[in-house]
Amino acid sequence: SQTIHQWPATLVQPVGSPLSLECTVEGTSNPNLYWYRQAAGRGLQLLFYSVGIGQISSEVPQNLSASRPQDRQFILSSKKLLLSDSGFYLCAWSWADTGELFFGEGSRLTVL
Amino acid sequence: KQEVTQIPAALSVPEGENLVLNCSFTDSAIYNLQWFRQDPGKGLTSLLLIQSSQREQTSGRLNASLDKSSGRSTLYIAASQPGDSATYLCAVTNQAGTALIFGKGTTLSVSS
Repeated sequence: SQTIHQWPATLVQPVGSPLSLECTVEGTSNPNLYWYRQAAGRGLQLLFYSVGIGQISSEVPQNLSASRPQDRQFILSSKKLLLSDSGFYLCAWSWADTGELFFGEGSRLTVL
Repeated sequence: KQEVTQIPAALSVPEGENLVLNCSFTDSAIYNLQWFRQDPGKGLTSLLLIQSSQREQTSGRLNASLDKSSGRSTLYIAASQPGDSATYLCAVTNQAGTALIFGKGTTLSVSS
């Protein structure tokens, strides 16, 4: 069966510090991978998606970036965090044919 | 640009009641529609996936319908239980099958 792991679960960072959130999927190959953000009182916002190694599409221009160094690994990064980057970050994967999405448990980021 | 709306934003019902959650989307050219459940502070759990060629899907006490032409989907929950209390999110996938757009959700509270 397929599983998705996301870490860290909770992160408190000062403004201007770097960020790295990691996500890995097990039990499948060549999944589509996604990063979403859920801010308080707002819906889920698609940040990045990837259909293959090194292939990243950005949905929202901002100071975040994503990378896919391996087939089942997806990383969300920032060089300098802003207060507005606070939120709940969710990694997800899907099969390319059905498009059914499966989520990780999320990483709560607080920028102070 | 695809927009997804969920009504109502919040709903409180007594245990045992049947209920309907509504989802509407502006662009009928979708690949699929998915319903999720989110418990507070947790990731999303997939409930039902309806492919664009399908009209409905059922899982236990849940039934989801899709009317692409009118841009609507409903999630029917039969015989509601306190354990059903959560936020329910609707999401549509674009025709490329690469990204889901979410509604803001309906927060359901079932009292015993």
